[in-house]
Amino acid sequence: GQQLNQSPQSMFIQEGEDVSMNCTSSSIFNTWLWYKQDPGEGPVLLIALYKAGELTSNGRLTAQFGITRKDSFLNISASIPSDVGIYFCAGANTGTASKLTFGTGTRLQVTL
Amino acid sequence: GAVVSQHPSWVICKSGTSVKIECRSLDFQATTMFWYRQFPKQSLMLMATSNEGSKATYEQGVEKDKFLINHASLTLSTLTVTSAHPEDSSFYICSAVSPGFEAFFGQGTRLTVV
Repeated sequence: GQQLNQSPQSMFIQEGEDVSMNCTSSSIFNTWLWYKQDPGEGPVLLIALYKAGELTSNGRLTAQFGITRKDSFLNISASIPSDVGIYFCAGANTGTASKLTFGTGTRLQVTL
Repeated sequence: GAVVSQHPSWVICKSGTSVKIECRSLDFQATTMFWYRQFPKQSLMLMATSNEGSKATYEQGVEKDKFLINHASLTLSTLTVTSAHPEDSSFYICSAVSPGFEAFFGQGTRLTVV
């Protein structure tokens, strides 16, 4: 099945640093979502974006829905150790009842 | 937030046996649930869409006779891996769609076939 490309694949950062990751698709989506997955757990929704160009924040997280509807960005400010995990973007289209296409994932590790 | 519960969290079975995994939406009714499979260090890949009261829709390359899905009620979908083999070992995750069209994920089931 189709997958969305995420970059970077992994990153090591120091506590307090800001983090940026992005997600690109060859096709258009009407909804972009960002999830975090801890080891051995299911994904947990962080931010949902429903409109092209939309910029949405959730605490230290900010995500943007690209104007072309083929990409999205996630920023984490002032990272803390509990930000460690795998971040997945996902795209969905209206009428597909949340049938999601997931990105390849970005593994984040935060050092003290 | 809404809660989706999967059971069991992990299971080890012998090659050739069948394993059933349950996905329950605890505080909402879900007419649609999805089943995903995730191999180590990889992303989630959609296997099938489970619709209450009707047959599941399988993604290309997923064997419907091997991965039996039953969505008998608005709060329960089951995935049965039949005649499991070591290559079926994976992390299986379900999601349930709320009336507000948000997808909530279960905690996953780690299947190991020996």
